[in-house]
Amino acid sequence: DTEVTQTPKHLVMGMTNKKSLKCEQHMGHRAMYWYKQKAKKPPELMFVYSYEKLSINESVPSRFSPECPNSSLLNLHLHALQPEDSALYLCASSQFRGYYEQYFGPGTRLTVT
Amino acid sequence: DQQVKQNSPSLSVQEGRISILNCDYTNSMFDYFLWYKKYPAEGPTFLISISSIKDKNEDGRFTVFLNKSAKHLSLHIVPSQPGDSAVYFCAASAPNFNKFYFGSGTKLNVKP
Repeated sequence: DTEVTQTPKHLVMGMTNKKSLKCEQHMGHRAMYWYKQKAKKPPELMFVYSYEKLSINESVPSRFSPECPNSSLLNLHLHALQPEDSALYLCASSQFRGYYEQYFGPGTRLTVT
Repeated sequence: DQQVKQNSPSLSVQEGRISILNCDYTNSMFDYFLWYKKYPAEGPTFLISISSIKDKNEDGRFTVFLNKSAKHLSLHIVPSQPGDSAVYFCAASAPNFNKFYFGSGTKLNVKP
């Protein structure tokens, strides 16, 4: 099983809402990632978890709050987002942190109104 | 400052011919490179990798070439098929970088 799943597929939220994105993998990978991707741009790294601990935060605003409840699950909690936060949010996992191939989920298309 | 660049935003190729996608990088520390393919509304899919100890890696119809002196890599797809139509990203990393740097992508259109 080389699948990374993400829910929901699409999310529309207002600027005062609180919502969460979910990501799951069952490949036994010990590193998990959140990326943000705008149209016609490369994926932009947001957070890296290694062994369920946050190891990289790419200076992401605090309105994005990641959480790794266990080795298979990764959440991204969203609060008070701005319209410019509208993007495709991708989750990925790899065997370990570092240069191992990353397996991506299909993404959550987020629209902030 | 983008450390990995894909200077061709799009490429159109006839079915059965060769597709060549190019990628340049600026950081000489990079020693591991990946190519990903992305269909609309899907996440990127890992395609092929190469480390700097090699100058070529082949997997079926896909071959990646690495020219370290020119800081250039290319992905060759032979023969190209309509199902190869997608956006292709190259990515690079190095020991202790703990992340990959992605290029901006090249949209490949393979015409039947």
